[in-house]
Amino acid sequence: DVKVTQSSRYLVKRTGEKVFLECVQDMDHENMFWYRQDPGLGLRLIYFSYDVKMKEKGDIPEGYSVSREKKERFSLILESASTNQTSMYLCASSRVEGELFFGEGSRLTVL
Amino acid sequence: GEDVEQSLFLSVREGDSSVINCTYTDSSSTYLYWYKQEPGAGLQLLTYIFSNMDMKQDQRLTVLLNKKDKHLSLRIADTQTGDSAIYFCAEITDAGNMLTFGGGTRLMVKP
Repeated sequence: DVKVTQSSRYLVKRTGEKVFLECVQDMDHENMFWYRQDPGLGLRLIYFSYDVKMKEKGDIPEGYSVSREKKERFSLILESASTNQTSMYLCASSRVEGELFFGEGSRLTVL
Repeated sequence: GEDVEQSLFLSVREGDSSVINCTYTDSSSTYLYWYKQEPGAGLQLLTYIFSNMDMKQDQRLTVLLNKKDKHLSLRIADTQTGDSAIYFCAEITDAGNMLTFGGGTRLMVKP
């Protein structure tokens, strides 16, 4: 069974803290994505990666960075968390464009 | 630019048909998708349709595409309480290879 695993389901952090969200997929997919989901706004793409050590900005990259050192792992980093980064973060992977497999999400609250 | 819009909420009775609507603005859409998000879970691909098709049926699901009006719909026949979820439409255009998601429609099925 295909699986995308996000390391933390729920996190609570303070403003200014550094936050790591990790995502691992076991399907040998080249493409990996980080989205944030906010009510009424749907999913907005933060960053994506087509290959190891490769990253591309999505629609809302400000305040975020990513790391892809291994094919199966894609990490999202918030260097200095702010309250407007309180959200649900979804990781996904794909082999075929448009057919994404999602993790269960990481709900981050920044106080 | 790309814009995908959906109504926020739909309520139906168990056994009725549900119709979830989506409009998009980019006429160069190549594929259009429906994803389902159950409570506390990530998104799961339900079905997709190529832009040169008008209709696609898959068991209880029927996708209708009106390319002239840029309107996509998902019909769920004999809706069950297990269909309660948020449904997202998404598109890929020939100008890029990223999905653009709508804001999601929350379907509530009353027993």
